[in-house]
Amino acid sequence: EVQLVESGGGLVQWGGSLRLSCAASGFTFSNHAMNWVRQAPGKGLEWLAYINAAGTAISYADFVRGRFTMSRENAKNSLFLQMNSLRDEDTALYYCARDQDWASDFWGQGTMVTVSS
Amino acid sequence: QSALTQAASVSGSPGQSITISCTGTSSDVGAYDHVSWYQQDPGKAPKLVIYEVTQRPSGVSHRFSGTKSGNTASLTISGLQAEDEADYYCCSYARSGIWVFGGGTKLTVL
Repeated sequence: EVQLVESGGGLVQWGGSLRLSCAASGFTFSNHAMNWVRQAPGKGLEWLAYINAAGTAISYADFVRGRFTMSRENAKNSLFLQMNSLRDEDTALYYCARDQDWASDFWGQGTMVTVSS
Repeated sequence: QSALTQAASVSGSPGQSITISCTGTSSDVGAYDHVSWYQQDPGKAPKLVIYEVTQRPSGVSHRFSGTKSGNTASLTISGLQAEDEADYYCCSYARSGIWVFGGGTKLTVL
C-alpha cells in the first residue's frame, strides 16, 4: 500500500525556519518524481515545488523560490522541504504527493505549519 | 504564474450532470495536455480523479470525465450522487517544471 507521511510541522515565529519531511513506503520511491503542495486554512491548493526521481531537477513556485529548498534521499525513501524566512502567509497544511503521469496520484495527510508574528 | 480560473461553486440534483470549467492561458492549459483534477472532501487529502485531460485512474467512477478545448479544461460528473459533494481543483503543467492549480469549485448536491 502506498503511504506518504509528512512530519516536521509546528509553530514557528515570523522569519524562522522549519524542515518538513515526507516518509514514503509501499512503492519504489526512487522511480517517482514528487511534489509539495500546501493549503492555507479555508483556502485552495497551491503547488510549491517539484523534484524529479533522481533529485537532479527541481522547480519552485515563484513565491517560494529563494526561501524554500526541496530535496530527497532515495536511499532512505525520504523527501524534504527546508523552509526559511517564513511569513504569515506560509501558514498552511503542507502535503507531499507522488507524481505519476504528470499528476499527483497519492497524497499524504499533511503537516500543519503555523507562522506566528 | 497566475492561478487557473474556476467558478467558486456549482450545484446539481442527484442524477443530473454537472460540468466544472477551468480556464487558463496559452502558456498552461492551452499549451499542454497535462491537466489533472482532484476531489477533496472536508478535512481530507485531495484525491486524483482525472489526469492527462481525459484519463481516469483505476478505481475512479466512470461517471467522472474530462475534456479540454483551447485554454479551458472541463470536468463532468454524470449521474450526480450525494457522495460527489466535495471541492474540486484543476491543475495544469505550465512550463519548465512549474505547475498551477485552479482556485477550486465547491460542488453541492441538492
